[in-house]
Amino acid sequence: SAVISQKPSRDICQRGTSLTIQCQVDSQVTMMFWYRQQPGQSLTLIATANQGSEATYESGFVIDKFPISRPNLTFSTLTVSNMSPEDSSIYLCSVAGSGVNYEQYFGPGTRLTVT
Amino acid sequence: LAKTTQPISMDSYEGQEVNITCSHNNIATNDYITWYQQFPSQGPRFIIQGYKTKVTNEVASLFIPADRKSSTLSLPRVSLSDTAVYYCLVGDFRTNAGKSTFGDGTTLTVKP
Repeated sequence: SAVISQKPSRDICQRGTSLTIQCQVDSQVTMMFWYRQQPGQSLTLIATANQGSEATYESGFVIDKFPISRPNLTFSTLTVSNMSPEDSSIYLCSVAGSGVNYEQYFGPGTRLTVT
Repeated sequence: LAKTTQPISMDSYEGQEVNITCSHNNIATNDYITWYQQFPSQGPRFIIQGYKTKVTNEVASLFIPADRKSSTLSLPRVSLSDTAVYYCLVGDFRTNAGKSTFGDGTTLTVKP
């Protein structure tokens, strides 16, 4: 299994500003993903972070709002740009395991509050 | 990924067996069924995965009928610490690069 850490664990930000969330994995992984979980809701996939190339975004999410970097196989960042209160959510990083089940391992999440 | 339908919530008492059923009528031939558990303020955690019949591990059992249009997660003798949200996912994770679409999940509340 993979151990994933995220920084920061939580933050309170003012509208119009940007926040960069870091995701660090303890081993090299091919697939990394970013999810958003709004209060009381399920998880929504934002994008797949691709190493060495642009991230692949899901419908409803764009690079200008959620730029993603993946400089190597153990690290990724997600930036939430020009924030509004609607961006208040938990942001989770995950990686796909290499086992037969292709299960995902999730980080602890970053709780973002935009005021 | 196939759409899944689960009960929104379930209540149980300590020591009881809990069965959570997930409907997935449009499951494809190559799709597998995976369950995750999520505690408050934590990311989801893989519980179990299966393709057909029955799968059992140290945490749970997964029952899948022959038509595979539904599946049942069985948690034996639950405790208060099993209070969590349980998600059923269906997909061919091998060709879908591991990414998953989460449905609404079932909030299980275990009472003393």
